[in-house]
Amino acid sequence: QKEVEQDPGPLSVPEGAIVSLNCTYSNSAFQYFMWYRQYSRKGPELLMYTYSSGNKEDGRFTAQVDKSSKYISLFIRDSQPSDSATYLCAMAMNRDDKIIFGKGTRLHILP
Amino acid sequence: GAVVSQHPSRVICKSGTSVKIECRSLDFQATTMFWYRQFPKQSLMLMATSNEGSKATYEQGVEKDKFLINHASLTLSTLTVTSAHPEDSSFYICSAYTGLNEQFFGPGTRLTVL
Repeated sequence: QKEVEQDPGPLSVPEGAIVSLNCTYSNSAFQYFMWYRQYSRKGPELLMYTYSSGNKEDGRFTAQVDKSSKYISLFIRDSQPSDSATYLCAMAMNRDDKIIFGKGTRLHILP
Repeated sequence: GAVVSQHPSRVICKSGTSVKIECRSLDFQATTMFWYRQFPKQSLMLMATSNEGSKATYEQGVEKDKFLINHASLTLSTLTVTSAHPEDSSFYICSAYTGLNEQFFGPGTRLTVL
């Protein structure tokens, strides 16, 4: 079983829709959970990070962590064509520890 | 946010040659830099951890004699792919750790070995 599982997509949704992206993981020692956005042929950009379980909101983005289910989610409200990118979940045991990435989900927002 | 640059952004080379990739933190000092490799439609895989002034720590399965890492200053780390082969073609990305619980990624270098 891989440490982090993420559906690669692609996921296509109409502009304005709510997008739900998620990952599952197997290592219960993970404490820090991140979501990165990566545009084609660019380096990843940190969108959100959360510690332990709970929700975190930043503008149109909401990150959720359910440690009991080993399941994390990223919600994007009022999706825009500029949100089209690959979204990678990532996690670490400590904030300055090695980061384990998911494969990324390719998201297409259709105008 | 902090800026990390990589040079070159793209390189094409012949099989058997060596290629050097630079990673620079432009407006901050990074005691630690990480090197990742990303194959198409795959996740970022950590190759090595580079600490200024000391030898890099390589992940299991990464050949340290093939992927030479030098972290000579607090703002520069280099990755040299020696005797590159087509299977080394990939997207190489560095990240710099500021010591403030943040890692900042460079834009990546696409290596194509013919």
